[in-house]
Amino acid sequence: DTGVSQDPRHKITKRGQNVTFRCDPISEHNRLYWYRQTLGQGPEFLTYFQNEAQLEKSRLLSDRFSAERPKGSFSTLEIQRTEQGDSAMYLCASSRGLAGDGETQYFGPGTRLLVL
Amino acid sequence: AQTVTQSQPEMSVQEAETVTLSCTYDTSESNYYLFWYKQPPSRQMILVIRQEAYKQQNATENRFSVNFQKAAKSFSLKISDSQLGDTAMYFCAFMTTFYNQGGKLIFGQGTELSVKP
Repeated sequence: DTGVSQDPRHKITKRGQNVTFRCDPISEHNRLYWYRQTLGQGPEFLTYFQNEAQLEKSRLLSDRFSAERPKGSFSTLEIQRTEQGDSAMYLCASSRGLAGDGETQYFGPGTRLLVL
Repeated sequence: AQTVTQSQPEMSVQEAETVTLSCTYDTSESNYYLFWYKQPPSRQMILVIRQEAYKQQNATENRFSVNFQKAAKSFSLKISDSQLGDTAMYFCAFMTTFYNQGGKLIFGQGTELSVKP
């Protein structure tokens, strides 16, 4: 069990540029979640996948944001035309997607984005 | 909509002492999960403890235990024999169950705990 991994760990970009983050969940975890965390706040839900199906999207996920999980394994989160307000930590989590213990989410280290 | 409130932005405790972090939540559902996660400085979120709402028995994990009061919608975390490594931001979180189409965690604002030597 290697844990949830995210790449890159840090990203600095200029306003207006596009960025893409990757998340690799724990193997055999069917559900994958994206959250955004700003400094000093709790994480806020963005979206989640059951295998390759995107089941829920937050209203925080504007048209500039898109997430995919094409083969039900890793996932990507893309932000187009970045704005300074997008600066945050982007967290990925995964779970087995089964009732009971299987609903517990395990988090990756996050990708810290800074938009200049 | 469900909400989670942590009313203590910061707390401190002496090493080896006991500290309790508070959390209240609001929901109309009868079955759900509650979690405490720990986020050390510049490190990733780690699960501390998990409680299923239908279980009346309070969850415990070594030095960590919860006081779950379902009627009062309260879910506090007690840390016994505090250690320097317990210094972290602690988040309380709520989730509806799988059978209720659960998925997302709803987090509180966090409590920053400092353990002093």
